[in-house]
Amino acid sequence: DIQLTQSPSSLSASVGDRVTITCRASGTISTYLNWYQHQPGNAPKLLIYDASTLQSGVASRFSGSGSGTDFTLTISSLQPEDFATYYCQQTDSTLGTFGQGTKVEIK
Amino acid sequence: QVQLVESGGGVVQPGRSLRLSCAASGFTFSSYAMHWVRQAPGKGLECVAVISYDGGNKYYADSVKGRFTISRDNSKNTLYLQMKSLRAEDTALYYCAQDPSRFGERGYFAYWGQGARVTVSS
Repeated sequence: DIQLTQSPSSLSASVGDRVTITCRASGTISTYLNWYQHQPGNAPKLLIYDASTLQSGVASRFSGSGSGTDFTLTISSLQPEDFATYYCQQTDSTLGTFGQGTKVEIK
Repeated sequence: QVQLVESGGGVVQPGRSLRLSCAASGFTFSSYAMHWVRQAPGKGLECVAVISYDGGNKYYADSVKGRFTISRDNSKNTLYLQMKSLRAEDTALYYCAQDPSRFGERGYFAYWGQGARVTVSS
């Protein structure tokens, strides 16, 4: 089974900062990697699918890159509504697995 | 607009059963695979089960295989999760989610319900 490891597990940042979260897969998964934002009390929100495709309606400050085993989610200029937990998910196999999450907090 | 509304959650004793439902609207339910995803308290997300558009293909996480059954009624636009032999570790918020493909091969979720809470406790 493919395992995903996100880093860091948490980070503190200020509004306007550029934030980068990485996700490393235990085996190669091509570009079958997705990113979600999860805020308490809400359902997770799909941000990026297939490693770099921005989901319709998602702000353009979010971007994704990578292939194979190493992937990155970048928020170009952090906004107040972006403080949340972010998860990567691999869909190389049926019933894709999620990373453990990265909590983005206000500095 | 797409709506997914879960129901059937609650508090149940270990070893007992519970059935979750997910009522879908705003899209052609019978054309899409559907998933159940859960989040235990303080933990991350876990894909539990997936069912193809016609109900002919089903897959389960090892953690629930043999205890949970996913099913759907396309005439009622409803997804189900029958949970048996529940354990404390099944305590979680259970979400239903739409897959953009027919057989679940895409595996990502643009649409989610708000979740049904299941607590397994004596």
